Amino acid sequence: DTGVSQNPRHKITKRGQNVTFRCDPISEHNRLYWYRQTLGQGPEFLTYFQNEAQLEKSRLLSDRFSAERPKGSFSTLEIQRTEQGDSAMYLCASSLDGVALTSAREAFFGQGTRLTVV
Amino acid sequence: AQSVAQPEDQVKVAEGNPLTVKCTYSVSGNPYLFWYVQYPNRGLQFLLKYITGDNLVKGSYGFEAEFNKSQTSFHLKKPSALVSDSALYFCAVRLSDNYGQNFVFGPGTRLSVLP
Repeated sequence: DTGVSQNPRHKITKRGQNVTFRCDPISEHNRLYWYRQTLGQGPEFLTYFQNEAQLEKSRLLSDRFSAERPKGSFSTLEIQRTEQGDSAMYLCASSLDGVALTSAREAFFGQGTRLTVV
Repeated sequence: AQSVAQPEDQVKVAEGNPLTVKCTYSVSGNPYLFWYVQYPNRGLQFLLKYITGDNLVKGSYGFEAEFNKSQTSFHLKKPSALVSDSALYFCAVRLSDNYGQNFVFGPGTRLSVLP
């Protein structure tokens, strides 16, 4: 399968625990995005990477959230001291964007990691 | 800041009838516009995009959308709906400048196609 892969698919954790999610983008894609989606809502932007550089972070991304993309390949999203409000679907997406903005490409999404904090 | 509105939470149509899912946007520059579909417990699937050129764009599964700059709209259409089109549809926008190139999504519209 050459699509975007996210692991785990489901995670149940106790409040206060730390969790880490992994995203493997489509191999040649240079951009990687993290979004959060709650039931019946549209995805909310969290952060994105251009290769290994984290270029933008949303105000939604509190100090408890950290994301990395070492070597510009896979990415991890860590949530420390989880809270019940962190329960959501965490979506990863990747895209191939050239230097010229007219080459902007659509993002391809993984199936998400559903986090439940109890 | 850019934003996307989908004025209808839900759209219901009979199978075989044309469907329209509405989207309007607000950006301070030239927009790149996208439609995605989401089936239950699945990620988002790309349907179509407008970057530049012809205002009418065609996408997957017989869907099309028309970019209207004066009305800042990008409505999704299909001439003949199928029951299998029932899903959650999201409109998204990206800015065509050097910053803020993430995708901003609308709240979604649930399409129900009745047999």
